[in-house]
Amino acid sequence: AQTVTQSQPEMSVQEAETVTLSCTYDTSENNYYLFWYKQPPSRQMILVIRQEAYKQQNATENRFSVNFQKAAKSFSLKISDSQLGDTAMYFCAFPIQGAQKLVFGQGTRLTINP
Amino acid sequence: KAGVTQTPRYLIKTRGQQVTLSCSPISGHRSVSWYQQTPGQGLQFLFEYFSETQRNKGNFPGRFSGRQFSNSRSEMNVSTLELGDSALYLCASSLGGTENYGYTFGSGTRLTVV
Repeated sequence: AQTVTQSQPEMSVQEAETVTLSCTYDTSENNYYLFWYKQPPSRQMILVIRQEAYKQQNATENRFSVNFQKAAKSFSLKISDSQLGDTAMYFCAFPIQGAQKLVFGQGTRLTINP
Repeated sequence: KAGVTQTPRYLIKTRGQQVTLSCSPISGHRSVSWYQQTPGQGLQFLFEYFSETQRNKGNFPGRFSGRQFSNSRSEMNVSTLELGDSALYLCASSLGGTENYGYTFGSGTRLTVV
């Protein structure tokens, strides 16, 4: 069964610092996708970044980038120049192929301090 | 374009009652899925509908049910409410069959059972 593990329940950094959130997963599939979602206090889950497993290049979206290590089944999120608005819960998610559902990690609560 | 709309935002019900939650997907999206979010269990998949048909169901008791209408709007019903049903219920929409591009979530309905 596919599982997603986030080993950091909480993290806290100063504004403008860089922070990396960890995620590992388990799957027997070869072609798949991975997501990072952000859930601020407004509760809406917002897609931050998406990675296609067959692509060697790590995905980047402005200040957000991933370090995707397929062999190690690791998918970490790096936030550069962190801002107060980055304060939120962050979830790593894995879409189960053909099952139309996401499997989520337990989440990391990230706090950006002024 | 309008996002995913969930109503109501908050709901307080008494144990034993039933409740109906509503989700309007992004225009053009034919897939709607539902998730339950609790502090203890995290995010868990309830079910997914596509073109008025349930394609997949999570591991929840039969008290949890749903449906989708011809305009893709979806409702979720919980009968005989229990205290443990208190949670944030999130709805997500996608084009359907293209879940690899990510799902768009609503802001959820916070259900409190007393």
